[in-house]
Amino acid sequence: TQLLEQSPQFLSIQEGENLTVYCNSSSVFSSLQWYRQEPGEGPVLLVTVVTGGEVKKLKRLTFQFGDARKDSSLHITAAQPGDTGLYLCAGEYGNKLVFGAGTILRVKS
Amino acid sequence: GAVVSQHPSWVICKSGTSVKIECRSLDFQATTMFWYRQFPKQSLMLMATSNEGSKATYEQGVEKDKFLINHASLTLSTLTVTSAHPEDSSFYICSARASMNTEAFFGQGTRLTVV
Repeated sequence: TQLLEQSPQFLSIQEGENLTVYCNSSSVFSSLQWYRQEPGEGPVLLVTVVTGGEVKKLKRLTFQFGDARKDSSLHITAAQPGDTGLYLCAGEYGNKLVFGAGTILRVKS
Repeated sequence: GAVVSQHPSWVICKSGTSVKIECRSLDFQATTMFWYRQFPKQSLMLMATSNEGSKATYEQGVEKDKFLINHASLTLSTLTVTSAHPEDSSFYICSARASMNTEAFFGQGTRLTVV
């Protein structure tokens, strides 16, 4: 059983559509991070959410941290082909940074 | 942002040989480094956590005698895959951070292919 459950695993959508990726856990996290990874490269940090109920925006990306700090979501508005990639949520657990299973997003033009 | 450099970017080795992968923090001192393994289209699986000057803590199911981790300085950690076999072929990624609850920066990964 993974500490962080991420869904959906795969998402294939048309350019211009909206989408939401979810990251859920039964554990409380002091913070959650969202990363994006391109093939053959390391993950790149998009955002860190720290406060329960926090909402952060990064252009067309909106990140939410649940009030209980057990879950988070990533919402992309008007997806573009350049958004294609692997999206990963990660959380601090003890002294370790653990990742969800990831969501492969493909945006078709 | 801070830079973590991983070397080599890719390596092909013969079955039975050992391969060393380096992870360097170029502009900060990393008290903790993490090593991950990633299979195609899958997430990062934590292999071990290493703190400078102490033995690495391995995740369940990861053979510490096969994946030797050394974190001898605040800027360098190495992962040695000993007696590599084709099933060890994977993408290995390191990350480093200055202290607990600070941002972890990732290397660019190492593609290991064992033939």
